[in-house]
Amino acid sequence: GQNIDQPTEMTATEGAIVQINCTYQTSGFNGLFWYQQHAGEAPTFLSYNVLDGLEEKGRFSSFLSRSKGYSYLLLKELQMKDSASYLCAVMDSNYQLIWGAGTKLIIKP
Amino acid sequence: GAVVSQHPSWVICKSGTSVKIECRSLDFQATTMFWYRQFPKQSLMLMATSNEGSKATYEQGVEKDKFLINHASLTLSTLTVTSAHPEDSSFYICSARSDSYVHEQYFGPGTRLTVT
Repeated sequence: GQNIDQPTEMTATEGAIVQINCTYQTSGFNGLFWYQQHAGEAPTFLSYNVLDGLEEKGRFSSFLSRSKGYSYLLLKELQMKDSASYLCAVMDSNYQLIWGAGTKLIIKP
Repeated sequence: GAVVSQHPSWVICKSGTSVKIECRSLDFQATTMFWYRQFPKQSLMLMATSNEGSKATYEQGVEKDKFLINHASLTLSTLTVTSAHPEDSSFYICSARSDSYVHEQYFGPGTRLTVT
């Protein structure tokens, strides 16, 4: 079956760095996505990786290793507004998104 | 990025009534639209995938006679929750993509449904 695992909850301090991991097993692979979702709102797109390596976009970076079925989202210089859920999703061979359960990130002052 | 709207943003209805939620792609042609449901503190659950002009494909466990989906044009899909019950109360989110850019999926802002 298809499976995406990510931690349920993480806590970090304002100004620090946090890494949210995601491992996956899917039927086919057409890219991995990270979305941010604040409570009561729809997800917003953060990043897309289809090749191995690190993609950097401002304070956020995303890494992919296809051979290991592994990705992480790295958030630097954490701000209070970064408190949200972070969803990992993989696009399978049918171009359908398979979603992880999300990681709730709590930022403390 | 592209814009997807949903209407209404929130709705309260009585048990046994039907509610229609609209999803519109405002600046691109959405050949495929997705409907998700999200319960509190849970992740997105895909309910169905709809392609313009054809019947929707429902995920296992989703009643197609209860959740009616219509994708009559390239810019509009509707989800009708028929004979709503309190357990249907949830956050419903649509997303849309063009077959020209299958890796780009744009989300609507969501609709909060409360059934009393």
